[in-house]
This record gives sequence, structure tokens and C-alpha cells, in this order.
Amino acid sequence: NAGVTQTPKFQVLKTGQSMTLQCAQDMNHNSMYWYRQDPGMGLRLIYYSASEGTTDKGEVPNGYNVSRLNKREFSLRLESAAPSQTSVYFCASSELPSSYNSPLHFGNGTRLTVT
Amino acid sequence: GNSVTQMEGPVTLSEEAFLTINCTYTATGYPSLFWYVQYPGEGLQLLLKATKADDKGSNKGFEATYRKETTSFHLEKGSVQVSDSAVYFCALRRGGGATNKLIFGTGTLLAVQP
Repeated sequence: NAGVTQTPKFQVLKTGQSMTLQCAQDMNHNSMYWYRQDPGMGLRLIYYSASEGTTDKGEVPNGYNVSRLNKREFSLRLESAAPSQTSVYFCASSELPSSYNSPLHFGNGTRLTVT
Repeated sequence: GNSVTQMEGPVTLSEEAFLTINCTYTATGYPSLFWYVQYPGEGLQLLLKATKADDKGSNKGFEATYRKETTSFHLEKGSVQVSDSAVYFCALRRGGGATNKLIFGTGTLLAVQP
């Protein structure tokens, strides 16, 4: 019963390096999301994918790109990491894009530090 | 715009104390309201929800009532346990067929001491 799986759990990057955060869900959900969590800021939406083949910007998309590889997988890429991107990143999924009763299921997060 | 405001933490209580965590919201239309809980080292989990005015969500002894007149959704529990120590997030999703995006508050850390 894996749910939402994120890799890696921890990552340290130098400024300017690139990396991809991976996320996969096994619940056959249609929608997937990337959030970042910062102290005093709560969770902020970076990008989301309402359904396979579509992606849209959230509140804080600058410096990130995403790929909805298939229905299960939704990756987040940092092309040139900056210290301001030091954060904990959460992937989430939900069954339906347009039903506001459909809860989000979260992964356990990736803690990223950019030096 | 749409936003959620939560009381700042940390909230420190003794076991069996009564808990209230305040949450107020600003939203257009008729949002659904949620409480999520994050245990140490884990992702967020849905705790309870309410989808219309005067609805009461409840789970694991926690309750929250959707009050449209005061735009509030305060979380309560009659007797907390050490295992309730976590960060609690209030969230809203506005109605009207919008895509399934949640707007979160900043979170409130609850620490329960034995």
C-alpha cells in the first residue's frame, strides 16, 4: 500500500546545479501536485497536473519545470538551483481534478538544501 | 483573493487538556474546508473536512464546524493525547468547479506533554 512515493528523501545541491525530484502514485489518481513547505509560509503550490497530458502553474512556478510522464508519475525539475529553493518539497495526488471534495494524498517529502 | 489564517503556534498542552486551533478564511463563492495533520517526518494527511455551511467534520475525536457567518473553521478536541503532537493545517478549496487546488494556512504546531 505505497500511496505516493517521492525520491530522493534528502538532497544537497550547489548553486547552479540541476536535479529532478521524482514522484509516483499507485492509486490511479488523475491529478498530481507539487508543493513546497517553508517555515511560516505553509504549503505553496508550485505546479499541478489536473490530468495526464496537462500541466499548469501554481503560485510559485519560477525556477521549476514539471513533466507528467504518465498517469502515475509527475516529476519536478530545478534547472539551475538557487539558495531560495532550499525547502521541503511535497508531491500529492487526488482522484478527481474538478471535485472539491476529493482529498489530497501526500508523499513524505524531499528535503532539499541549496548551498 | 482566497486565503486562510491560522493561529500561530506552538500550542503546548498537557495530556487530556482541551484543544482549540483557530482558523478563519477569505474566499469567493462557497469553498470546502479541510484540516490536514502532519506528523513528524511525514507528509500531510486529511484529518477532516466540511463542504457546506453548518457542516461538522469529525475524525479521531477532532471536530470542526463550518461557520459561514464568521468565516471560521476552528479545530477542537476534548482531550488531547501525546500522540496528537503534530502540525495542523487548515485549508480551503473554493467551489464553482475550479480545479482541485488547495490553499493552506501556515500551520500550527501542537505539542502535548505527558
